[in-house]
Amino acid sequence: GQQLNQSPQSMFIQEGEDVSMNCTSSSIFNTWLWYKQEPGEGPVLLIALYKAGELTSNGRLTAQFGITRKDSFLNISASIPSDVGIYFCAGTPGTASKLTFGTGTRLQVTL
Amino acid sequence: EAQVTQNPRYLITVTGKKLTVTCSQNMNHEYMSWYRQDPGLGLRQIYYSMNVEVTDKGDVPEGYKVSRKEKRNFPLILESPSPNQTSLYFCASRRATTYEQYFGPGTRLTVT
Repeated sequence: GQQLNQSPQSMFIQEGEDVSMNCTSSSIFNTWLWYKQEPGEGPVLLIALYKAGELTSNGRLTAQFGITRKDSFLNISASIPSDVGIYFCAGTPGTASKLTFGTGTRLQVTL
Repeated sequence: EAQVTQNPRYLITVTGKKLTVTCSQNMNHEYMSWYRQDPGLGLRQIYYSMNVEVTDKGDVPEGYKVSRKEKRNFPLILESPSPNQTSLYFCASRRATTYEQYFGPGTRLTVT
């Protein structure tokens, strides 16, 4: 199955820094989702996006649905240690019954 | 609390010994699916079900079976497990009208 290209693969940042990551697809999507997975746990849904250009926030997290409909972005402001984990994007063109997942961005936060 | 539950969380077994991993959701979701997660390969869908008695293959169905006799349950069956099925398995569910999928806590399976 197809996978989305997600970058960067990993990030090491200091507490308090802002974080940006993105996801690109070779095809147009009508839904983008962002998940966070902590060690030993299942992915947890953070943000869902449904319209090109849409900007949605969840606390310190903000995600955007790219205007080309082939990409999406996630920003985390003022990172804290509990932000550590793997962040996955997922999307669908809407014609299929399943989501395609990105390869994940592993985030490490140092004090 | 709305949730997807899986059992067991950890399982070590031997090649060829049939096993079942259970999955249950209490959100009345129509759609359920199973994924495996392997390093470098991400999440890959094994099987999915659009509703009771309706199941279909995902990207990596070989060696697995599923059934959907009740809306809340979607067990994953490995009739004859092999070492290449050692992986972290996730069950997920969602309503039919949205793609917002909710995951269970995972089952780590080791086949020796």
